[in-house]
Amino acid sequence: GESVGLHLPTLSVQEGDNSIINCAYSNSASDYFIWYKQESGKGPQFIIDIRSNMDKRQGQRVTVLLNKTVKHLSLQIAATQPGDSAVYFCAERVNRDDKIIFGKGTRLHILP
Amino acid sequence: NAGVTQTPKFQVLKTGQSMTLQCAQDMNHNSMYWYRQDPGMGLRLIYYSASEGTTDKGEVPNGYNVSRLNKREFSLRLESAAPSQTSVYFCASSGPSGTEAFFGQGTRLTVV
Repeated sequence: GESVGLHLPTLSVQEGDNSIINCAYSNSASDYFIWYKQESGKGPQFIIDIRSNMDKRQGQRVTVLLNKTVKHLSLQIAATQPGDSAVYFCAERVNRDDKIIFGKGTRLHILP
Repeated sequence: NAGVTQTPKFQVLKTGQSMTLQCAQDMNHNSMYWYRQDPGMGLRLIYYSASEGTTDKGEVPNGYNVSRLNKREFSLRLESAAPSQTSVYFCASSGPSGTEAFFGQGTRLTVV
């Protein structure tokens, strides 16, 4: 289930199940949408990106879906593993500005 | 391959003191960024540099200055530290894709 913690929402998923992490964005001018993973005590790590003219992109065990109509982005992780436990951030990039702006994160907790 | 190197890793300052956080990357990236991350929160962009010789304000630039010394190095300066600047600071760089940013290990700064 999903719950709102003190700062970060948390998603708890059974090991082996699929995880879906959601993100809402506000800037219609963004050219790229990006997902990052941050493990405890480390800097964020790039997972996958999607260009604004696409609606789906797949990587290794991950799929990103983009719905521009409702300004919604999601990251699907197949067969969730203990190593997937982390905080996941969506981010946006506008080409003309050359900056990457992060959204709110979601903590993914894997249940044994 | 060191990637993005930040120094120092930890620092305690007294209110009003100044300091410079150093960042260097060895990937020949044009773009570099400074973010701050407060406990349990997301990353907020302080300043960024799209290329050597240029710097631009991000979301939370007040109280900070930056210098893009050369293509490799991007420093962040706190002229008069305040307790509100207690945070973890991340430096990052990105290459041609513009979306895959590589992050340093972070500097944990405490202002007392």
